[in-house]
Amino acid sequence: QKEVEQNSGPLSVPEGAIASLNCTYSDRGSQSFFWYRQYSGKSPELIMSIYSNGDKEDGRFTAQLNKASQYVSLLIRDSQPSDSATYLCAVTKNALNFGKGTSLLVTP
Amino acid sequence: GAVVSQHPSRVICKSGTSVKIECRSLDFQATTMFWYRQFPKQSLMLMATSNEGSKATYEQGVEKDKFLINHASLTLSTLTVTSAHPEDSSFYICSARNPGTGRDEQYFGPGTRLTVT
Repeated sequence: QKEVEQNSGPLSVPEGAIASLNCTYSDRGSQSFFWYRQYSGKSPELIMSIYSNGDKEDGRFTAQLNKASQYVSLLIRDSQPSDSATYLCAVTKNALNFGKGTSLLVTP
Repeated sequence: GAVVSQHPSRVICKSGTSVKIECRSLDFQATTMFWYRQFPKQSLMLMATSNEGSKATYEQGVEKDKFLINHASLTLSTLTVTSAHPEDSSFYICSARNPGTGRDEQYFGPGTRLTVT
């Protein structure tokens, strides 16, 4: 079992809709959880971090963490074409442990 | 903020030569930096953890004699790809953890695209 799992996508949503990205992890001892956005040919950019169960909102982004279910999600409200990218879920062990990423395509 | 720079952004070298990539934390001191490699359409692969003042910790399968890491100061880590071969062509990205935040957030440099001919 891979340590951090994500659906590779692509996930296609129309402009203005809510995009929902999901991630599961295997190490119950994980304490820090992150979402990175990576545009093609660029390095990852940190967009959300979450450390405790529940929701954390920042602008159009909401991260959700459920440690009992070992599940992290990212919601993007009012999706824009500029949100089209690969979204990487990362969980700390010693270093960041990345999922393979979900490709999001927001269509005008 | 937490800004990490990398130099060069792009390099082309001939097979058999060595290439050095620099990673700097610009507005914080990083006791730990990380080096990743990413092949096209694949996920990030951690190569090694670079610790200031001590030897780097390499991931399984990464040759430490081929990928030399030096973390000489709290703001600079270097990765040297020795005797490069075409299969080393990849996107190399460093990241740094800002200990001042007390959290595990890592910030990435812009990456270095290496092409070995």
